[in-house]
Amino acid sequence: GAVVSQHPSRVICKSGTSVKIECRSLDFQATTMFWYRQFPKQSLMLMATSNEGSKATYEQGVEKDKFLINHASLTLSTLTVTSAHPEDSSFYICSARKGPYEQYFGPGTRLTVT
Amino acid sequence: GEDVEQSLFLSVREGDSSVINCTYTDSSSTYLYWYKQEPGAGLQLLTYIFSNMDMKQDQRLTVLLNKKDKHLSLRIADTQTGDSAIYFCAESNAGGTSYGKLTFGQGTILTVHP
Repeated sequence: GAVVSQHPSRVICKSGTSVKIECRSLDFQATTMFWYRQFPKQSLMLMATSNEGSKATYEQGVEKDKFLINHASLTLSTLTVTSAHPEDSSFYICSARKGPYEQYFGPGTRLTVT
Repeated sequence: GEDVEQSLFLSVREGDSSVINCTYTDSSSTYLYWYKQEPGAGLQLLTYIFSNMDMKQDQRLTVLLNKKDKHLSLRIADTQTGDSAIYFCAESNAGGTSYGKLTFGQGTILTVHP
């Protein structure tokens, strides 16, 4: 298999502040990483595709100015939730693609905006 | 667009076999996956199958694919209480701008009773 980490695992922030979540592939290089959002008892919703060295591709309905993605190296992608509001509270999960068909997921970050 | 459907719940006794079913609509799906998610955690890749295969076995796991009916199943033999989790079916299309993007089903909650 392969290992993907996320940091932090939990974060609580005040409304209006920004939060950065890191996603790292620990034992492989990933030119492509993905960011998902998961609501309680629901499936994963793809937010954006993060490509190393280029701009992220956002899914329809996802605000690119609110969810900033930076894929600065082959092992690190970051998601910054800007001016967070309570409705942004969710479980955010990243994944990293290894090879043409394997995708490994991080453990997730629980964001609570108060 | 792509759609992946799963039954929401499955309950089995410890030691029995579990069969989780999934249907998908995208006839150009190239890879089909099964992921496991335990409470508060990320997704664990269990197994995957290429669309040109009809069966894959990996220890207690057997994946069956009926491409004509667009039906995928995951059989877990000798189900244990540690298998209790949410199981997600996902499909991916290897071509073009969709490369690597996974479309997930809603997830099946498997409950194993002692």
